[in-house]
Amino acid sequence: RKEVEQDPGPFNVPEGATVAFNCTYSNSASQSFFWYRQDCRKEPKLLMSVYSSGNEDGRFTAQLNRASQYISLLIRDSKLSDSATYLCVVNRFSGGYNKLIFGAGTRLAVHP
Amino acid sequence: GAVVSQHPSWVICKSGTSVKIECRSLDFQATTMFWYRQFPKQSLMLMATSNEGSKATYEQGVEKDKFLINHASLTLSTLTVTSAHPEDSSFYICSVSETGDYGYTFGSGTRLTVV
Repeated sequence: RKEVEQDPGPFNVPEGATVAFNCTYSNSASQSFFWYRQDCRKEPKLLMSVYSSGNEDGRFTAQLNRASQYISLLIRDSKLSDSATYLCVVNRFSGGYNKLIFGAGTRLAVHP
Repeated sequence: GAVVSQHPSWVICKSGTSVKIECRSLDFQATTMFWYRQFPKQSLMLMATSNEGSKATYEQGVEKDKFLINHASLTLSTLTVTSAHPEDSSFYICSVSETGDYGYTFGSGTRLTVV
């Protein structure tokens, strides 16, 4: 079983739609959590950090449930420019270092 | 956040040759840098943690003699893929973290194709 699991998609949605991505992680020692966005053949870029209290950044809302080891990302009013792969990422301390563990990503395609 | 420069962006090499990839932290002194590899439609996998002035820490299953890492200064880490084979063709990305906890900045990646 992968340490970070995501639905690979693709999610094909029209502009203006609301879409939700889910992610689960298996290591309870994970300390911090992120959503990254990766465009095709590019490096990942931080979208937002995820907290138990939930956090919102414009059209994006992220939520963490530590008890269920579950992370979510909600995108409202989807734009064409939101088309990308969304990576669920956890950070845990191992071997003396903080390490990022990536999910395989969920592909989103927003169409007109 | 930190600014990270990775070079080259892409490289094509013949099987059996070695390729060096550079990762520079332009505005931040990075005692630790991370090297990842990503195969098509797969997640980024941590290969090794590069430590300034000391040996890199390799993840399980990563051959340290094949993937040579040198972190000679606080702003530069290099990854050398030695005796490259077609199965080493992949997207290699480095990253640094300013705080060690929130927000890692990635280089733009190097797409390696071994023919």
